[in-house]
Amino acid sequence: EAGVAQSPRYKIIEKRQSVAFWCNPISGHATLYWYQQILGQGPKLLIQFQNNGVVDDSQLPKDRFSAERLKGVDSTLKIQPAKLEDSAVYLCASSFGTDEKLFFGSGTQLSVL
Amino acid sequence: DAKTTQPPSMDCAEGRAANLPCNHSTISGNEYVYWYRQIHSQGPQYIIHGLKNNETNEMASLIITEDRKSSTLILPHATLRDTAVYYCIVRPLSGGSNYKLTFGKGTLLTVNP
Repeated sequence: EAGVAQSPRYKIIEKRQSVAFWCNPISGHATLYWYQQILGQGPKLLIQFQNNGVVDDSQLPKDRFSAERLKGVDSTLKIQPAKLEDSAVYLCASSFGTDEKLFFGSGTQLSVL
Repeated sequence: DAKTTQPPSMDCAEGRAANLPCNHSTISGNEYVYWYRQIHSQGPQYIIHGLKNNETNEMASLIITEDRKSSTLILPHATLRDTAVYYCIVRPLSGGSNYKLTFGKGTLLTVNP
């Protein structure tokens, strides 16, 4: 079966610029997650969707980060404006339900200069 | 914050069993132990999970102590492709604010030829 698709694979921007990441989950998976992974650390959950509704966004820096999943399938994560400390790998994951195992994409590596 | 403690790194010879320990002394009765691994430049991959009984699948075995305060992930015949960061995660059965998958720093397992 096709896995979780993410694009772009790499992105380099300057601070204060904006950037967007795209995720296509596994077909039929209702739950979608965005994680941020800073070098040397484990992934940190930014936001969790159940279909097109937000379940948990408690660790999302809402002054600069936004995410949407309008039709309950694809999702985009946006950063505006970016800061140096946003340099990280942004991982998307999906699961069939909230208590099921997660399937991760390969991530987008963001470098903010 | 992660509720588990793992050694930062371990080595294993190719073909030998890799035994990865995890301490979770504050685990609650309704919390599962999950293991994921992350190969370099890839997203995390689910390995196995358990509540109180030992579990085995095609990838690994999970041994949970009787008091549930610690567990061991066993890769019976490690290969070079098993070199990865292994995350031990405690997660409630369902619902609640702590339901999300919270990653620590994990254990970097290096399988040597």
